[in-house]
Amino acid sequence: QSVLTQPPSVSAAAGQKVTISCSGSSSNIGNNHISWYQQLPGIAPKLLIYDNNKRPSGIPDRFSGSKSGTSATLGITGLQTGDEADYYCVTWDSSLSAWVFGGGTKLTVL
Amino acid sequence: EVQLLESGGGLVQPGGSLRLSCTASGFTFSSYAMSWVRQAPGKGLEWVSAIASGGNTYYAESVKGRFTISRDNSKNTLYLQMNSLRAEDTAIYYCAKRTSSSSGWDHWGQGTLVTVSS
Repeated sequence: QSVLTQPPSVSAAAGQKVTISCSGSSSNIGNNHISWYQQLPGIAPKLLIYDNNKRPSGIPDRFSGSKSGTSATLGITGLQTGDEADYYCVTWDSSLSAWVFGGGTKLTVL
Repeated sequence: EVQLLESGGGLVQPGGSLRLSCTASGFTFSSYAMSWVRQAPGKGLEWVSAIASGGNTYYAESVKGRFTISRDNSKNTLYLQMNSLRAEDTAIYYCAKRTSSSSGWDHWGQGTLVTVSS
């Protein structure tokens, strides 16, 4: 069981918007920055969002991140079939002195 | 261009040992914290261990006392010494470079597969 809680799956139609939630506690999300990753099948994860809401160069502005209290959200607009992947949130847990991942969310684009 | 290349994976019996290496290029290796992250077959990502640029080390509870992370800045190489391996350690192991900010890994290797089985 993961320290951070994500929905196992989400789906939306192509061109629409989807959000993926990540819930934690004061020892992790509540007091530390969060990052989000996209993992296509058989490929290493790719950084989408860091420091809660910043995008690395090359990541389109269709991807956005936000954080409120002990929860965070990844938003994806203008969904494309190429966005079908697993998405993970991760942050530092100050109580565990460890990086903790969410269980991952599988995005299906209908 | 930043590149991370893992090696050292393979098949090992339960109780055995293996050392993974991650050779880095394209950035000042000594200035960045590095991590190992693994993914068991069909499962999610799991952080394994991290080493700061100054050498402080951190471990997931599941590997504490069995795995040792280290770095050789002169060789631009990250290591993971894995002892007392168990079937549940079977996974693809990725090395990852921390961003220069407070969160995130901005570059990942292609991964190396470790299989623990008799």
